[in-house]
Amino acid sequence: GENVEQHPSTLSVQEGDSAVIKCTYSDSASNYFPWYKQELGKRPQLIIDIRSNVGEKKDQRIAVTLNKTAKHFSLHITETQPEDSAVYFCAASNPGGGADGLTFGKGTHLIIQP
Amino acid sequence: NAGVMQNPRHLVRRRGQEARLRCSPVKGHSHVYWYRQLPEEGLKFMVYLQKENIIDESGMPKERFSAEFPKEGPSILRIQQVVRGDSAAYFCASSADRVGTEAFFGQGTRLTVV
Repeated sequence: GENVEQHPSTLSVQEGDSAVIKCTYSDSASNYFPWYKQELGKRPQLIIDIRSNVGEKKDQRIAVTLNKTAKHFSLHITETQPEDSAVYFCAASNPGGGADGLTFGKGTHLIIQP
Repeated sequence: NAGVMQNPRHLVRRRGQEARLRCSPVKGHSHVYWYRQLPEEGLKFMVYLQKENIIDESGMPKERFSAEFPKEGPSILRIQQVVRGDSAAYFCASSADRVGTEAFFGQGTRLTVV
């Protein structure tokens, strides 16, 4: 089945700086890669996703890049703000594969230092 | 337009009792996924259901756990004879199509076994 590795587990950046979180996946057939943000005690919420037919997608301060050859994808947050502090999860999905459901990375705790 | 509704939000059970967790998907969604989140950890896939069918239960423990998604009513995750190790947050997600489209998460049920 799919295996998703996520790094780093904790990331501390100064407010205004950029943050980058990286994930690798094992199943080359995976073709959908969402990123979820989970604030303390709350539900995970989708912030951006990318499909395997594109290499990059941007939404205001958030961007995701995908390298299918290397099987890795990254989340980039620019001009970080205090409200960006949360746990971020990457995930991979192969809708046609044997194990349905999203496979999540273990999460990155992003801390924005004022 | 209500999102994914889970209840109860918090559930306390004594060892050996049964826990029933309910999930009402977004109206019109026929795909439901259950995930377990241990403290300080990521989301682990448990089971994927469509109406009246279990599509993939590869992440579900073989004993004591079961799930259903009847034609009418919410999806139910049932844990029999709970043990302390079952204490976790259980999240349900739903999507309009198979994964590959956005999955929306509920607020989760926090199960505590005492």
